[in-house]
Amino acid sequence: EDKVVQSPLSLVVHEGDTVTLNCSYEVTNFRSLLWYKQEKKAPTFLFMLTSSGIEKKSGRLSSILDKKELSSILNITATQTGDSAIYLCAVIKTYKYIFGTGTRLKVLA
Amino acid sequence: EAGVTQFPSHSVIEKGQTVTLRCDPISGHDNLYWYRRVMGKEIKFLLHFVKESKQDESGMPNNRFLAERTGGTYSTLKVQPAELEDSGVYFCASSQDNTGELFFGEGSRLTVL
Repeated sequence: EDKVVQSPLSLVVHEGDTVTLNCSYEVTNFRSLLWYKQEKKAPTFLFMLTSSGIEKKSGRLSSILDKKELSSILNITATQTGDSAIYLCAVIKTYKYIFGTGTRLKVLA
Repeated sequence: EAGVTQFPSHSVIEKGQTVTLRCDPISGHDNLYWYRRVMGKEIKFLLHFVKESKQDESGMPNNRFLAERTGGTYSTLKVQPAELEDSGVYFCASSQDNTGELFFGEGSRLTVL
């Protein structure tokens, strides 16, 4: 059965810390991996990764895919309280999107 | 441009009652998905429409759930009769094609008492 596993489930850090969130997958017919940030309501798109080893960056956030290890990491440097959210990883296989449980990040002032 | 909108935001009903959730996707998006998140668990796929056709409904829990997308525009998800375990947040998402970014609605929270 296809599955996407995220770790840790929950993380509490202080402002300024750097965090690394993990997503590993066992999915047949893998196409791409996406990261979303969910604050109060709708998840918002962060990154889509299709090729291994190519880092995508957006401000303090970056992400990279390792197809050999079937995993991806999402890095957030110099965290701020506004980064507090649930970070979701999803894998696209053919036309289906399979989500992990998410990592709940709380950044303390 | 309007995003994906869902109605209602929150519905509280008693076991055995019926609830209908509505989703309006982004205009022009042929692909529409329903997902459900139960407390503490991952977002789980329910079904996928391409225009008005059900592409995949393998995630629908049982025949108490009925989804429709008449005319290929908005979609409804009806739960009848509702059970306690149906409580959760029902997300709708749409995309232009099925290989890229999914755009999510804010979700409809369903509480069954």
